[in-house]
Amino acid sequence: IAGITQAPTSQILAAGRRMTLRCTQDMRHNAMYWYRQDLGLGLRLIHYSNTAGTTGKGEVPDGYSVSRANTDDFPLTLASAVPSQTSVYFCASSLQMNTEAFFGQGTRLTVV
Amino acid sequence: TQLLEQSPQFLSIQEGENLTVYCNSSSVFSSLQWYRQEPGEGPVLLVTVVTGGEVKKLKRLTFQFGDARKDSSLHITAAQPGDTGLYLCAGNFGNEKLTFGTGTRLTIIP
Repeated sequence: IAGITQAPTSQILAAGRRMTLRCTQDMRHNAMYWYRQDLGLGLRLIHYSNTAGTTGKGEVPDGYSVSRANTDDFPLTLASAVPSQTSVYFCASSLQMNTEAFFGQGTRLTVV
Repeated sequence: TQLLEQSPQFLSIQEGENLTVYCNSSSVFSSLQWYRQEPGEGPVLLVTVVTGGEVKKLKRLTFQFGDARKDSSLHITAAQPGDTGLYLCAGNFGNEKLTFGTGTRLTIIP
């Protein structure tokens, strides 16, 4: 079944460590996004990509970086994790920017 | 950053009752999407509304877009336990990225 795959599904990470969350889609969507979801704050956009080779900052980009080397993959890297980055991270894609978004099942990250 | 307010934040009702949840902004939406998210899953799109005054129906769910395109509502008729979940609205303000509301957490009690 076509869709978005995120890995890992959950992770406990020591503060200061580097971590890459993986995201792959097989729908040939142009746009991809990373969100974090926290209680009471909803989904907040971290970074996005309009198309392969381009990326942009969302609402809460600090402490995160992304790359979009090809259409299918959009990894999110935490260079030096901090406890405030404990959250559930969702990757999503859409055919074009701001059209119907398809979400992965999320990565639950705990930074201790 | 555009703000979307959803109300109520939490809603718990008995099976068979009707309910309405709301999504409001002080700015005009180019379009608005409604998603439902179940525990441990990502959000899934229910509907997109684009035209002011538009009404869309999805079985027992009725979505309405305000005439001024600043608000939207979701009405559920004869709620069922399967309707339980987090309902999120997401607004597109012109060329800005989609902005999500904080959601309404709905629980239907059998």
